Amino acid sequence: DTGVSQNPRHKITKRGQNVTFRCDPISEHNRLYWYRQTLGQGPEFLTYFQNEAQLEKSRLLSDRFSAERPKGSFSTLEIQRTEQGDSAMYLCASSHQTNVQETQYFGPGTRLLVL
Amino acid sequence: AQKITQTQPGMFVQEKEAVTLDCTYDTSDPSYGLFWYKQPSSGEMIFLIYQGSYDQQNATEGRYSLNFQKARKSANLVISASQLGDSAMYFCAMREGGAAGNKLTFGGGTRVLVKP
Repeated sequence: DTGVSQNPRHKITKRGQNVTFRCDPISEHNRLYWYRQTLGQGPEFLTYFQNEAQLEKSRLLSDRFSAERPKGSFSTLEIQRTEQGDSAMYLCASSHQTNVQETQYFGPGTRLLVL
Repeated sequence: AQKITQTQPGMFVQEKEAVTLDCTYDTSDPSYGLFWYKQPSSGEMIFLIYQGSYDQQNATEGRYSLNFQKARKSANLVISASQLGDSAMYFCAMREGGAAGNKLTFGGGTRVLVKP
């Protein structure tokens, strides 16, 4: 399967702990995106990378959140000192910067529950 | 103002019938793209169909078609011949050009339940 993959699929943690999620994009895609989706809502943009450069960050991305894409391939999203309000689905998507359409393809997501 | 509005929180549709999901959008950018995604209970967002702001014809992909009315800023999704597997959440999303970057802005979604 050559789609976007995310690990872990589920994470339960206690408030105050740090968590890290990984996203592996479609291999030829140079753009990678992170979104957060809370229950009953549409996804909200967090940040995106073009190759290894982080080009945009949402105001939603507080200083407890950090994302990296060190070699322009996989990406990690770390949340430090988790809070109950961080409980959500974290979705990763990738796209190829080729044409106007540039569809974003999503992974299965990581469901985070902070107790 | 909401950039993407989906006014139907939930809909029932009979199997084999067509269903229309509403989406209105708000942008002042002349160049934008509109996307529809399906999200089953498993959580993965599945791309369905795309409409560009400069496209002259409505997009179609198999049983999915997009009723694009640019002047009204609407991009409704039509699913023909509904199947039980179409039961899911459906999201409309927009990507604007220029300074808005490449991010997608999503609506709140519409839950569709197909009845046998």
